[in-house]
Amino acid sequence: AQSVAQPEDQVNVAEGNPLTVKCTYSVSGNPYLFWYVQYPNRGLQFLLKYITGDNLVKGSYGFEAEFNKSQTSFHLKKPSALVSDSALYFCAVRDPGANNLFFGTGTRLTVIP
Amino acid sequence: EAGVAQSPRYKIIEKRQSVAFWCNPISGHATLYWYQQILGQGPKLLIQFQNNGVVDDSQLPKDRFSAERLKGVDSTLKIQPAKLEDSAVYLCASSLWQNTEAFFGQGTRLTVV
Repeated sequence: AQSVAQPEDQVNVAEGNPLTVKCTYSVSGNPYLFWYVQYPNRGLQFLLKYITGDNLVKGSYGFEAEFNKSQTSFHLKKPSALVSDSALYFCAVRDPGANNLFFGTGTRLTVIP
Repeated sequence: EAGVAQSPRYKIIEKRQSVAFWCNPISGHATLYWYQQILGQGPKLLIQFQNNGVVDDSQLPKDRFSAERLKGVDSTLKIQPAKLEDSAVYLCASSLWQNTEAFFGQGTRLTVV
């Protein structure tokens, strides 16, 4: 069965500092991995995905994520945080053999001015 | 390009009443999803359609929830009768195909009193 874990409910970072939001996964095959962001009273917005190829993928708003197969991780990163990055971030995984896009419980990122 | 449209945005009903939500996916997207997001949790897939066929409804409480996508375009999700624990945000999403990223609507916030 597939699963995804976001070990931190809350991440605080100062504006201008690098940020990392952690995600680990478990699937039976090669995973499809996604990051989404949710602003208050809004739906989820797609940020980036890893399907195959380079382990470092770049997405919207300057975010990037690194796929690490040995550590089964797909951490979201940004070199310099903005106050406007404050939101709820969800990691999601799909086993190519399954239909379900399975979401983690989310990490609330707060960027402090 | 128009996004995923959902209505209504908010709905308050009493327990044991019925309610219906509507979703119009992005044009050309074959896959449509309904997710339930309870406060503080990640989205949970209720049902997934590929065109007008159901590919996954394993987590849909079928004694009270139903969904249809008759012409393979827009979809409705119904709850009858509603329970207090159904209070959540109901998110509709669509994707070009099953293994591509999903795009979400703004959701319908349901409160059952």
